[in-house]
Amino acid sequence: NAGVTQTPKFRVLKTGQSMTLLCAQDMNHEYMYWYRQDPGMGLRLIHYSVGEGTTAKGEVPDGYNVSRLKKQNFLLGLESAAPSQTSVYFCASSYQTQDRVNTEAFFGQGTRLTVV
Amino acid sequence: GDSVTQMEGPVTLSEEAFLTINCTYTATGYPSLFWYVQYPGEGLQLLLKATKADDKGSNKGFEATYRKETTSFHLEKGSVQVSDSAVYFCALSDRYSGYSTLTFGKGTMLLVSP
Repeated sequence: NAGVTQTPKFRVLKTGQSMTLLCAQDMNHEYMYWYRQDPGMGLRLIHYSVGEGTTAKGEVPDGYNVSRLKKQNFLLGLESAAPSQTSVYFCASSYQTQDRVNTEAFFGQGTRLTVV
Repeated sequence: GDSVTQMEGPVTLSEEAFLTINCTYTATGYPSLFWYVQYPGEGLQLLLKATKADDKGSNKGFEATYRKETTSFHLEKGSVQVSDSAVYFCALSDRYSGYSTLTFGKGTMLLVSP
């Protein structure tokens, strides 16, 4: 049971380079999220999606774009990487129960990105 | 907006000591509350949850009770082990909104020595 899978696990970028982080979930969850984790800051929401073809901004969206072309995949793009984007990135997914209660989120293992 | 405040760490304990990590929250709606654990180099795993007032979540010897009157969800364990060393995050989610984004505290590192 794979759950939430993130690729790659590690990456080093030069300032100005672009890249895409891939998140895939096999639990048929409607909701997917990208968070970044920085020391002393907890986890901060970058973007999220409430269904295939929809995306929305979170707390810290600047410098990132996302796409959800397929229900199981949620892509996070950095068009022009900056050192301030050095972080650990986590993807997560969740769903609502039949009586519309939001469930907990299931997390991937993270992508450690360094921008030099 | 929603927010979560948890005690700063690190919390340093000896094996078999009693653990409390405080967590308080502010929410505009009716939140569900969670504790997540993150072991070194890994993602976050759900430790326990509570979805309504007075519910007690429990797992692996950890417990937390949803206290609406004090807006708190403190994590406790009667006897910690070295293997409990990790970072613990308190989080909330609006229970009935059309989507479910988690709001996290900043995390509390627990270090348990033999």
